[in-house]
Amino acid sequence: DSGVTQTPKHLITATGQRVTLRCSPRSGDLSVYWYQQSLDQGLQFLIQYYNGEERAKGNILERFSAQQFPDLHSELNLSSLELGDSALYFCASSGGFVGGETQYFGPGTRLLVL
Amino acid sequence: AQSVTQLDSQVPVFEEAPVELRCNYSSSVSVYLFWYVQYPNQGLQLLLKYLSGSTLVESINGFEAEFNKSQTSFHLRKPSVHISDTAEYFCAVSSQGGSEKLVFGKGTKLTVNP
Repeated sequence: DSGVTQTPKHLITATGQRVTLRCSPRSGDLSVYWYQQSLDQGLQFLIQYYNGEERAKGNILERFSAQQFPDLHSELNLSSLELGDSALYFCASSGGFVGGETQYFGPGTRLLVL
Repeated sequence: AQSVTQLDSQVPVFEEAPVELRCNYSSSVSVYLFWYVQYPNQGLQLLLKYLSGSTLVESINGFEAEFNKSQTSFHLRKPSVHISDTAEYFCAVSSQGGSEKLVFGKGTKLTVNP
């Protein structure tokens, strides 16, 4: 158990819909990362937050947004969903933004868009 | 920008045989190097990482990896594998001095057969 929790574990929805994925980092960790894992693209970094502020952005679509709340949990919002958004979404956390820090991954949310 | 190439998508081996999973990277800046393991239906767990110092790093469960700067490689080895090592292994890099985001390879699925 990494100490990172993600809800829900599974999500099935239809094209055009909007969903919210939730992540609680390990106790004391200030950085949260979101990654997308799909068969064709592999594991791709989406976005990082540190203590409530956006720190880095990857290939995140404009239809996707995220935020980190004062209690440090984070949410990833996916809107106008398309079939290609079906993937496993991982949240990870680390203590801060020290280079080389270990990122601890949650179990993921599996999203299926029909 | 960084990129990671894992040369083998699948590696089948017999129990107690040695194994090497290959990883090469490309980067215009110095990097930190990681190996993560993903067991079926689970999140990623750190196996080992190279930050600096000795180029040979070891994990607690018998894996080791050697950083070779001239060949830009970070191959993972184990002298004798167990059935329980069956999993997908991901090589990743993050840049020194930049974002802490991880750039992953496509993964190598290791299957250990009895």
